[in-house]
Amino acid sequence: EAQVTQNPRYLITVTGKKLTVTCSQNMNHEYMSWYRQDPGLGLRQIYYSMNVEVTDKGDVPEGYKVSRKEKRNFPLILESPSPNQTSLYFCASSPLAGGFANTGELFFGEGSRLTVL
Amino acid sequence: LAKTTQPISMDSYEGQEVNITCSHNNIATNDYITWYQQFPSQGPRFIIQGYKTKVTNEVASLFIPADRKSSTLSLPRVSLSDTAVYYCLVGDGEISNDYKLSFGAGTTVTVRA
Repeated sequence: EAQVTQNPRYLITVTGKKLTVTCSQNMNHEYMSWYRQDPGLGLRQIYYSMNVEVTDKGDVPEGYKVSRKEKRNFPLILESPSPNQTSLYFCASSPLAGGFANTGELFFGEGSRLTVL
Repeated sequence: LAKTTQPISMDSYEGQEVNITCSHNNIATNDYITWYQQFPSQGPRFIIQGYKTKVTNEVASLFIPADRKSSTLSLPRVSLSDTAVYYCLVGDGEISNDYKLSFGAGTTVTVRA
């Protein structure tokens, strides 16, 4: 089954304790991206990657890191989490072949709800 | 990436048609228009995409006027299960260096019995 898998789905942590949210896709997609969703603000892009070893900042990258060492994986790293990073996080992937928007579809994971105390 | 503006919320009743209009005044020549649907605690899912005129699939129709400065997502005969947030996204149709994609706040559609 084609899917984007995120782990953990739920996490409560404390300020300053490093954590990683993993994202894996089995569709051989070039493009992967992380979003955070907060009430009234919709989905905001944190980082994206167009292929292995190619990453770039989205609209809200502060406090986050990413890596893309393999095509299927795109982990989101919070080196020193703070309460303002409490949010619902989504990973997404998309094929790039043929022009990005022509593919029409971002595939999303089920989300990871993070609470930083 | 072209900025989009949508209504914050819309209410409807079962069996009615729901039309959500998205404004994208500075849409670029290469931009396509894509709509996503999101249920609570789930990731968004693709509904429909178009470039101009009208596109229809089994879920919805997308109407795009000639100037492409707006688009309207039409959901025919909605049911309670169509209650969701709907996002309009405008992005490049050609490979470029800018793949930033933020969805904005979307339109919350509430369908009542």
